[in-house]
Amino acid sequence: EVKLVESGGAVVQPGGSLRLSCAASDFPFDAFAMHWVRQAPGKSLEWLSLIIWDGGSSYYADSVQGRFIISRDNSRNILYLQMNSLRPEDTGLYYCAKDTSRSSFYYIDVWGRGTTVIVSS
Amino acid sequence: IVLTQFPDFQSVTPKEKVTITCRASQSIGNNLHWYQKRPDQSPKLLIKYASQSISGVPSRFSGSGSGTDFTLSINNLEAEDAATYYCFQSSNLPLAFGGGTKVEIK
Repeated sequence: EVKLVESGGAVVQPGGSLRLSCAASDFPFDAFAMHWVRQAPGKSLEWLSLIIWDGGSSYYADSVQGRFIISRDNSRNILYLQMNSLRPEDTGLYYCAKDTSRSSFYYIDVWGRGTTVIVSS
Repeated sequence: IVLTQFPDFQSVTPKEKVTITCRASQSIGNNLHWYQKRPDQSPKLLIKYASQSISGVPSRFSGSGSGTDFTLSINNLEAEDAATYYCFQSSNLPLAFGGGTKVEIK
């Protein structure tokens, strides 16, 4: 069964940094683009970032551009999200998700269960 | 591209039909997908490319539309369909979700 397991969520102070990880299993991780999506409490889903299969291109939502960095380690089947300059509005449940495309963006077909980030002093 | 969903909330009785609309701020072809999110669960893909069915998803879920106006229909509503439904566009960057439609079962 295709599986995505996020980790790294924590309580962090405003202005702080955090790195989320997503361990992928039971599918060829290096054959697919990957996403990060979040959901703030009581809010809609928000797309954050996408990285293509080899890490050669990545894209970001305006809300995180310049603060978050998506990366991947295909040798270890892990997706990362480095989150810097965190703000209270970054609080939420962060999902790792798999695209059906290799080098573009089609649609998300698999989601992890999420990891919680709380930005608060 | 901004996706506007309506209604925000719908309360329906079992066996009724639910219709949810998603409107894009500009044409996105058929690059519109629908997800179901139950409380404390991860989102689940229901419909891809506006109208294409997904293996394992009950046939009472269907989608239609193209360009800027899209619809998700749920026929013969069941109790397990209580959830929030989101549209998602993959036509242009930045990718985007709609605001969601919460469906409550009376």
